[in-house]
Amino acid sequence: GAVVSQHPSWVICKSGTSVKIECRSLDFQATTMFWYRQFPKQSLMLMATSNEGSKATYEQGVEKDKFLINHASLTLSTLTVTSAHPEDSSFYICSASGGTGIGNEQFFGPGTRLTVL
Amino acid sequence: GENVEQHPSTLSVQEGDSAVIKCTYSDSASNYFPWYKQELGKRPQLIIDIRSNVGEKKDQRIAVTLNKTAKHFSLHITETQPEDSAVYFCAASLGGNEKLTFGTGTRLTIIP
Repeated sequence: GAVVSQHPSWVICKSGTSVKIECRSLDFQATTMFWYRQFPKQSLMLMATSNEGSKATYEQGVEKDKFLINHASLTLSTLTVTSAHPEDSSFYICSASGGTGIGNEQFFGPGTRLTVL
Repeated sequence: GENVEQHPSTLSVQEGDSAVIKCTYSDSASNYFPWYKQELGKRPQLIIDIRSNVGEKKDQRIAVTLNKTAKHFSLHITETQPEDSAVYFCAASLGGNEKLTFGTGTRLTIIP
């Protein structure tokens, strides 16, 4: 149990276009979902925290107008990278928590590798 | 906010020997401390976690110790095997559905 999926697993786009990444909790209802970004050989950096039905809380330095997060249901959160540029190329990982009986643990999606040309 | 430091950044260990990775945290209110193993291009995998009401936890070859007073916690891997080679991250959280703050990672290499 406690499976989180992400789609797509990889995406290549042209500079200036927008890309949407989906994060789904498949077998539990996630009260909270988190979005991380990981550059090569670096740690996971939290971008934002989203709770179902409310606005996301962004970490300092993360542009909320560039990285749009929607958490419309207890099983789905989306991250849209708007007007993507090469410096946005990274590994984006979501995680979900809050299911009944799950406790503190966050369950991670498999990640989405974004390459902006 | 919380700040988590992790050492060493790289660690090479002979197969069969033990490996120790250490982390310190800054927020005394943190009470949940997970450790993750991440292989290249994959998601982080939880390998063990500890809560602040416990000083030590063990799961087969893996153990974690926590010193709340000193605000540091450590991962111990005994009888290391080649498949233990990966990047390991520690993290700290206030618990519940609160966010995780990750350490900078340790690249562990097991030498056959």
